[in-house]
Amino acid sequence: HLQLQESGPGLVKPSETLSLTCTVSGGSISNSRYYWGWVRQPPEKGLEWIGSIYYSGTHSGNAYFNPSLKSRGTTSVDTSRNQFSLKLTSVTAADTAVYYCARHEYLYYFDDWGQGTLVTVSS
Amino acid sequence: QSALTQTASVSGAPGQSITLSCTGTSSDIGGHNYVSWYQQHPNKAPKLLIYDVNNRPSGISNRFSGSKSGNTASLTISGIQDEDEADYYCSSYMSSRTVVFGGGTKLTVL
Repeated sequence: HLQLQESGPGLVKPSETLSLTCTVSGGSISNSRYYWGWVRQPPEKGLEWIGSIYYSGTHSGNAYFNPSLKSRGTTSVDTSRNQFSLKLTSVTAADTAVYYCARHEYLYYFDDWGQGTLVTVSS
Repeated sequence: QSALTQTASVSGAPGQSITLSCTGTSSDIGGHNYVSWYQQHPNKAPKLLIYDVNNRPSGISNRFSGSKSGNTASLTISGIQDEDEADYYCSSYMSSRTVVFGGGTKLTVL
C-alpha cells in the first residue's frame, strides 16, 4: 500500500523560498510508470496543480509545471531516499495553502495522495 | 490556463441520483479522454473516484460513474448517501502537457 508524507516548514516569510519534501513508502519512486506531483489548496478554495516530475533512470527527468507557477517552481527526485521535493521562490500571501504530494499516472490522474501540509506565508 | 467550470453547489435527498457537470474546452476535456474526478471530505486529502472519463479504481463504489460529451464531463452518483456529502473536483489533462482542475462542487445531502 503506497503512502506519501509531506514535510517542511509550516511558516515561510514573504519573498523567501518554500521548500517541501514528499517521502514515499510502500513503493519505489523509481517506478518509470509514474510521475510524482504537487497540488495545493488555498484556504476555502479549490485544488490547483503545481507541477509533476518523472524519474527517467539516472537522474530527475522531465518536469511539467502549471504555467502560472513555472517561473518560480522547481521539483526534483531523490531516489536514494525515495523522496521528491518542491521549491517555490519569492512567495507571497497568495501561496498560503495546504500542499499535497501525490502519485501521478503520467499527467492523467492522481491515484494516491499525502495527507497534506499547511504552509502559511507571513512575516 | 483557466479552471474547468463546475456548479458551486448541488443538493439531493438520500437515495436520489445526482449528476455533477464539468465544462472545459477542446484543449482539455474535449480533446482528451483523461478526465478524472475526486471526492474531498472536510480537512481530508482528495480521493480518486473516476479516471480516464469512466473508470473506477479498485474499491470505489459502482454508485459513482463518469461520462463525457464534447467539452463537458459528468459525474453521476446513484442513490446518494449521507457519506457522499463532500466536495467534488474534476480534472483534465491538457494538450500543453499540463493539468487543470475545476473549481469544485459542494454536494449537500438533505
